Amino acid sequence: SQQGEEDPQALSIQEGENATMNCSYKTSINNLQWYRQNSGRGLVHLILIRSNEREKHSGRLRVTLDTSKKSSSLLITASRAADTASYFCASMIKAAGNKLTFGGGTRVLVKP
Amino acid sequence: EPEVTQTPSHQVTQMGQEVILRCVPISNHLYFYWYRQILGQKVEFLVSFYNNEISEKSEIFDDQFSVERPDGSNFTLKIRSTKLEDSAMYFCASSDGSGASWFGPGTRLTVT
Repeated sequence: SQQGEEDPQALSIQEGENATMNCSYKTSINNLQWYRQNSGRGLVHLILIRSNEREKHSGRLRVTLDTSKKSSSLLITASRAADTASYFCASMIKAAGNKLTFGGGTRVLVKP
Repeated sequence: EPEVTQTPSHQVTQMGQEVILRCVPISNHLYFYWYRQILGQKVEFLVSFYNNEISEKSEIFDDQFSVERPDGSNFTLKIRSTKLEDSAMYFCASSDGSGASWFGPGTRLTVT
């Protein structure tokens, strides 16, 4: 698989439930970032976790990073209908300057 | 809150025509990027720009593409002779070098 593969590809949950999505990568990273994209719109930066960090929180978002497994997860707690969007992980690779390599994304549908 | 802006939001052009996509990055940022997202596919890196020159480019960024920072605030992507397969959403991004990139809302390019 390519750098930054995500699963599941799609997730449908009820409002109030938690949503968890995972991202795997192949090479050593400087950091890993999560972005949200509403349908047909721009990418909104959510959270960045550096390679020496294991967990980070921002509001209802919790990101973990396991460099031994080359994986990251994004947890959205107490989801709201407004969280409906596609979520992408993007890795910044040590040997590749500051460019981001995106995963294929997880489409999250939060039903009211 | 500072934001990256892009114009136009939608550009329709005929195959073979030249297009210029414009971006105004966040004012104190020093790193600038173009990415594209073909409908239903991953966001792909095109080019990064720092200190008035290209710092990295992908295989997609062939001789048909060029970037410029003409006046210290705008950052442009030119496609000299568009092809059907250039139809995509083009995102500009900027960074202060801390790791996170801030994306613009995108320009939807449709080549007919």
